[in-house]
Amino acid sequence: NAGVTQTPKFQVLKTGQSMTLQCAQDMNHEYMSWYRQDPGMGLRLIHYSVGAGITDQGEVPNGYNVSRSTTEDFPLRLLSAAPSQTSVYFCASRDNFHSGNTIYFGEGSWLTVV
Amino acid sequence: GQQLNQSPQSMFIQEGEDVSMNCTSSSIFNTWLWYKQEPGEGPVLLIALYKAGELTSNGRLTAQFGITRKDSFLNISASIPSDVGIYFCAGPPGNQFYFGTGTSLTVIP
Repeated sequence: NAGVTQTPKFQVLKTGQSMTLQCAQDMNHEYMSWYRQDPGMGLRLIHYSVGAGITDQGEVPNGYNVSRSTTEDFPLRLLSAAPSQTSVYFCASRDNFHSGNTIYFGEGSWLTVV
Repeated sequence: GQQLNQSPQSMFIQEGEDVSMNCTSSSIFNTWLWYKQEPGEGPVLLIALYKAGELTSNGRLTAQFGITRKDSFLNISASIPSDVGIYFCAGPPGNQFYFGTGTSLTVIP
């Protein structure tokens, strides 16, 4: 079972560059989200989506854009990368109606902005 | 935003000891989840709790959903070296899942 798949696993960017972190899930989950993880800060929600065509902001949305054109994919875009966006990024998904609200994570994307 | 306070922040224990950690929220949760994250990996679900007072075990792990619905507890009995990792509590007051800041567990053989 593929579950939640994130790419790339590692990326180094220069300040001001743009990039997209890809996330795909094959569980037909309606809910998808992006978190960033920083030392001592736990996992903080960036953006989330409750279904195709619907997105909303989480705790730390600034500097990031998302879209949800299909149920399977939820890409995270950094339009102009900043060193403060150096972090580990996790995509996650869950089924709104089953699995008891359990959330499943991808393996993470390590991003460094220099 | 939602506050999830997790304690302790870190623990260094001897192999064979029992471990306790807890999580409190500023609002009522209808689900509590406990995750473990190992280095270089994403968090993996350990235990899910769905109603106040619920006590659920998964091997040597036991978690409880607090009666007030604003807290949860995780216990690990007879720790072993592979228990090393960061443990997170999480819950969804609505559509947004919030996570605690984590408890880093080190088990000394």
